Amino acid sequence: TQLLEQSPQFLSIQEGENLTVYCNSSSVFSSLQWYRQEPGEGPVLLVTVVTGGEVKKLKRLTFQFGDARKDSSLHITAAQPGDTGLYLCAGVLVLNFGNEKLTFGTGTRLTIIP
Amino acid sequence: EAQVTQNPRYLITVTGKKLTVTCSQNMNHEYMSWYRQDPGLGLRQIYYSMNVEVTDKGDVPEGYKVSRKEKRNFPLILESPSPNQTSLYFCATSRKLQGKRNTEAFFGQGTRLTVV
Repeated sequence: TQLLEQSPQFLSIQEGENLTVYCNSSSVFSSLQWYRQEPGEGPVLLVTVVTGGEVKKLKRLTFQFGDARKDSSLHITAAQPGDTGLYLCAGVLVLNFGNEKLTFGTGTRLTIIP
Repeated sequence: EAQVTQNPRYLITVTGKKLTVTCSQNMNHEYMSWYRQDPGLGLRQIYYSMNVEVTDKGDVPEGYKVSRKEKRNFPLILESPSPNQTSLYFCATSRKLQGKRNTEAFFGQGTRLTVV
């Protein structure tokens, strides 16, 4: 069972346009992370959001954690070809004895057309 | 330079022929894990290790084994590979972000395995 669903699965837009990617779950997470993965590489952490309703900005990227800590969104303003990649959200679950587990979303493959 | 190194990067093998994918990290992280990545399914955890000699099953452990005899190495073993194990595999290490209870994962470059 996939705990985190991302939408859309694929997105192809023109350079300069805005876009939003969604990450939804029925589970509550202690925090949520967004990673970007480029071809031939492993995912690289972009941001971690911790508090319900939290908004973080990373240049043209805006990340928001839902108030109930079950969902998140990634908004990109004026997309650039360098934004092309696979975007993965990952929810952090706290297990027994303080251990934590990352559960990854299904991924959104973004292509920015010059 | 902080690194997670996997080998090999690419492997084509036949059904039933035992193989090992190695993973080594130089960041002195206690936590290591293996994931497989398949289209439309994201990353699914196979096994993880909290520390030396401590390993546990992830979400999709069937057909895989791991060992953690030393801190820096965490090999993934397929005793009898089958075609449904054709996938892109990632090793990852994790550390606690300073002052917070969050786990930042550092990934290797991946191993693309094809079982025919």
